Parts: sequence; structure tokens; C-alpha cells
Amino acid sequence: KNEVEQSPQNLTAQEGEFITINCSYSVGISALHWLQQHPGGGIVSLFMLSSGKKKHGRLIATINIQEKHSSLHITASHPRDSAVYICAVKASSNYKLTFGKGTLLTVNP
Amino acid sequence: DSGVTQTPKHLITATGQRVTLRCSPRSGDLSVYWYQQSLDQGLQFLIQYYNGEERAKGNILERFSAQQFPDLHSELNLSSLELGDSALYFCASSVVSRTGWLGEQFFGPGTRLTVL
Repeated sequence: KNEVEQSPQNLTAQEGEFITINCSYSVGISALHWLQQHPGGGIVSLFMLSSGKKKHGRLIATINIQEKHSSLHITASHPRDSAVYICAVKASSNYKLTFGKGTLLTVNP
Repeated sequence: DSGVTQTPKHLITATGQRVTLRCSPRSGDLSVYWYQQSLDQGLQFLIQYYNGEERAKGNILERFSAQQFPDLHSELNLSSLELGDSALYFCASSVVSRTGWLGEQFFGPGTRLTVL
């Protein structure tokens, strides 16, 4: 079993829909990252969080440390949100990041 | 633009060869990370340097080595290349506090390595 599990693997939505991507992890962590990777390959860090909730524009990230679970929400989705969204955790015991396999989001106009 | 630069953008080479990938972190960031992204394995952490010293090691092969220089740029050396080493190699940098707290990571554009 992977230390970081994401669901769903693939997600197709219509423009304007509310999107939720989930991430579960099995180790104690000090931080969780949400990353976005566009088809060109570049990776952008969206959020780094260790508790609660963060919001940036139409993106919201939440984390529940007790349940070892995080969600990334996109409100009013747009075709330009089409990308792979990757969850990564930094374990409390070391300095490395462990990545989920990513969720491919396609938003159709 | 994240402020992290990587060169070259693309690299095509043959099996058995050796290549060097270069990364310059954001101004002020002391910590550099190297990651490998292949189609079948996804993103994997290779190694981290902090202010010139190796801090953490991940799934880095013995054929691979890295270093961080006094000007904080880093190089990843890949030798005796195999077909399976074909991948995207990303560098990232972050702030690290004196207590070891890791800040947000900023990724470079990546180097696409193709081994023929």
C-alpha cells in the first residue's frame, strides 16, 4: 500500500462544476503539499498546510490530521484548471516528500 | 516563473553515458531538492541539500550523485545511463528555518532526459 493515496485517479467535469480531489496518507506528517502539473510538465506548488484550511482564489485545501486526510476543492471549475493534481506529504520523521500518483482533471467547456 | 532555473531543458544521450543536470535555486533559498518523474513511477524524491551539505536521501541510485556548491547551485550527475533512467528530472528549492522547518517548495521547469 502506498503511503499516499489519491482519489479519483481521473476526473472529468463540465465548466462551472465544483471539484473535489482527495488525499489519504498513512504516516505522521509535518506538512502536506498540493501541487499542480500542466501538460507541458511544469509543477506549481498550490498549497502547503499542516492544519485547518487554506484558500487561494477558487482553490481551497483542507486537512484533517486525526483522520490523515486532505481535500483539494476547486469552485466554478474552468478548462484552464485541467491538469494533474498531486498530493505530497512530508513525514514527521524525515525531510523527504512522498508523492501520490496524481489525479488527472479534465474540465470541458 | 518560480525563480528556480534548470539546464538543459532537454537532453538526449545513449546508454552507458554520463550527464550532468544543473539547478539554480531561488535567491535566498538554501535548500535544494532533486526529484525524478517517470511514467511508471510518478514523482520520486532523490536527494536534498541544505547550504552545501546533504540532508536527506531518497530513492537515489548509486550511479547517481549530486552536490551543492558554495554559490548554492546544485548539480545532479547521472552515470552509466540505462534506458530506464529516461525521465523528467525536477529541482526545487525552499527556505529552511534554523529549527529545520521546511517552507513551500518552488519547482524548476525540469530537464527531460531521454536515453536511447
